[in-house]
Amino acid sequence: TQLLEQSPQFLSIQEGENLTVYCNSSSVFSSLQWYRQEPGEGPVLLVTVVTGGEVKKLKRLTFQFGDARKDSSLHITAAQPGDTGLYLCGETSGSRLTFGEGTQLTVNP
Amino acid sequence: DAGVIQSPRHEVTEMGQEVTLRCKPISGHNSLFWYRQTMMRGLELLIYFNNNVPIDDSGMPEDRFSAKMPNASFSTLKIQPSEPRDSAVYFCASSFGLVLHFGNGTRLTVT
Repeated sequence: TQLLEQSPQFLSIQEGENLTVYCNSSSVFSSLQWYRQEPGEGPVLLVTVVTGGEVKKLKRLTFQFGDARKDSSLHITAAQPGDTGLYLCGETSGSRLTFGEGTQLTVNP
Repeated sequence: DAGVIQSPRHEVTEMGQEVTLRCKPISGHNSLFWYRQTMMRGLELLIYFNNNVPIDDSGMPEDRFSAKMPNASFSTLKIQPSEPRDSAVYFCASSFGLVLHFGNGTRLTVT
């Protein structure tokens, strides 16, 4: 079973700061997804990355997939309180999706 | 589209009681997943179905847990007998392809 490690586990920053969170694997990802989960709700898909070296942008969020497809990062520019949540990376294998433990982000106003 | 619907939202029960969690997937989705989320272990896949057939139940903790999907619009996760360590948030998700759509979960507390 592929082990997904996310770091940091917790991150608390002030509004307007930039941040990066990471997702690493012990082996090659077939494809990787990032989700955000808010309190009392289920995770919601942000992006899927498939190709090594791929970069995707979603407004202030930039997702990178490592060249070797064993790591990924999520960079948020000028964080806002609305970005607060649990950020999860998930590895897809066929129909199965396995998650890391997540990064709990708190953006303080 | 109402999304994935789970019931109940909260369940409090005593140790030894049977608990049944319910899920209605999004119409047209052909895969359904049950996950459990705790602070200690994060989001764990318990079981998933393709076209109503259980494909992988290796994440089911033990024989006290069982899941069924009698038709494309309904699934249950049953715990019998329940134990305090089963306390967690249980999520159901459905998909057609790679994008999972999650319900808002059932928060289970076993005292």
